[in-house]
Parts: sequence; structure tokens; C-alpha cells
Amino acid sequence: NAGVTQTPKFQVLKTGQSMTLQCAQDMNHNSMYWYRQDPGMGLRLIYYSASEGTTDKGEVPNGYNVSRLNKREFSLRLESAAPSQTSVYFCASRGAGVTYEQYFGPGTRLTVT
Amino acid sequence: QQQVKQSPQSLIVQKGGISIINCAYENTAFDYFPWYQQFPGKGPALLIAIRPDVSEKKEGRFTISFNKSAKQFSLHIMDSQPGDSATYFCAVEGGTSYGKLTFGQGTILTVHP
Repeated sequence: NAGVTQTPKFQVLKTGQSMTLQCAQDMNHNSMYWYRQDPGMGLRLIYYSASEGTTDKGEVPNGYNVSRLNKREFSLRLESAAPSQTSVYFCASRGAGVTYEQYFGPGTRLTVT
Repeated sequence: QQQVKQSPQSLIVQKGGISIINCAYENTAFDYFPWYQQFPGKGPALLIAIRPDVSEKKEGRFTISFNKSAKQFSLHIMDSQPGDSATYFCAVEGGTSYGKLTFGQGTILTVHP
């Protein structure tokens, strides 16, 4: 099992460009999450999806959109990138049941110039 | 309003010493308190977690101490090793934020040989 995979690993964008970050999980998990990580800020939730077909805003959703394409895939789109969106982005997933563990992908390092 | 405050921001410990990282939270409805460990260039991974019905949980060299009345919990790493050098995040979940983790700001731990 690959767990949670993310593409691309690195990306440089110019201000105003758009891009989509891809995330997939092969653990049959219901819930999926997008976080951004900035120094001294911890991990902040951008959007999450509790199940296929549903998405909800997290703590910092402005400037982002998401799509839960199917149970496996959850994408994050930046329509018009800004330097403030320079960050490391992590996707995570979690199954149902008594365990609350979230499984994280390896991250995408995004720089917006 | 920060829902969870983590300290210290960074910690340097000698090999064999004890590392202690603290977190304080506001909402008494939280009922799940995990610690995540992150190595450079990797996604976070669950290290250990506790629920409020116990005051302590130990897994190997890692222990969570939980003080419900003070709304604080801490991670203790006994016999710290250079391989423990990583960033550690506390998190909380529960109440109206069920299904979503809120992370602390992170602590960069360096264990010198």
C-alpha cells in the first residue's frame, strides 16, 4: 500500500497563476484533509471532506477550492496564486471507527513569486 | 483565538536526557489529544495519543501526561536519542470540531549526541 500520495513534490508559481495539487489514498478512508504548514504556525486546516461528495471549510480556506473526485482522491486548487500562499501543503486521510489517526502524505512545497 | 498553545518553540537536549513539551487548550469539550512527530521533508505521523479518562499513557520511551482540571497535556521523551530529533506537534479534537484536528504551533527538538 502506498498510503497517501501527493503530486507534485515541488512547484514554483508566479503570482496570478493557477494550479491543482493532487492527493490520493489507497486505505479506503472516508475522511480527507488539506493542511498548510508555515514556520511557527503549526498545521492549519484549509478544507476537509468527511465523506465522498462532501467538503467543508477549515481554518484558512480563502484563496483555495477543493474537489472530492471520488473516495480515493481529494484535490486542492489555487485559482490565482499569491505570495502569501507560499507554504508546504499536506494531504491527510482518516478512516472511520474508534481510531482517530490521520495519515499524512509527503507534502508539496509551493513557492509563489 | 488559539485553541491550543504549545511550548517551547524549540528544545535542545543532551542524549540520555528527558525532553518535555507542553500544550494547553481552552475547550473542555475536546476529548482526543494526540502527539504527531515530523522528520524533515516528511509528513507528520502519529506518535502517541490519549483520551481524558486516563491521566497518563506510556508507549516505550514516550509518555503523555494529562491534567484535565488544568486543561494541559505534555509529552515526555525519556532517554532522548539523536534519532528523536524532529518537530513535535500536539493536537486536539472533540466537541463541535469532531472529525478535525487543531494543531499546536510545533516544537523543534534537537538531541545532541
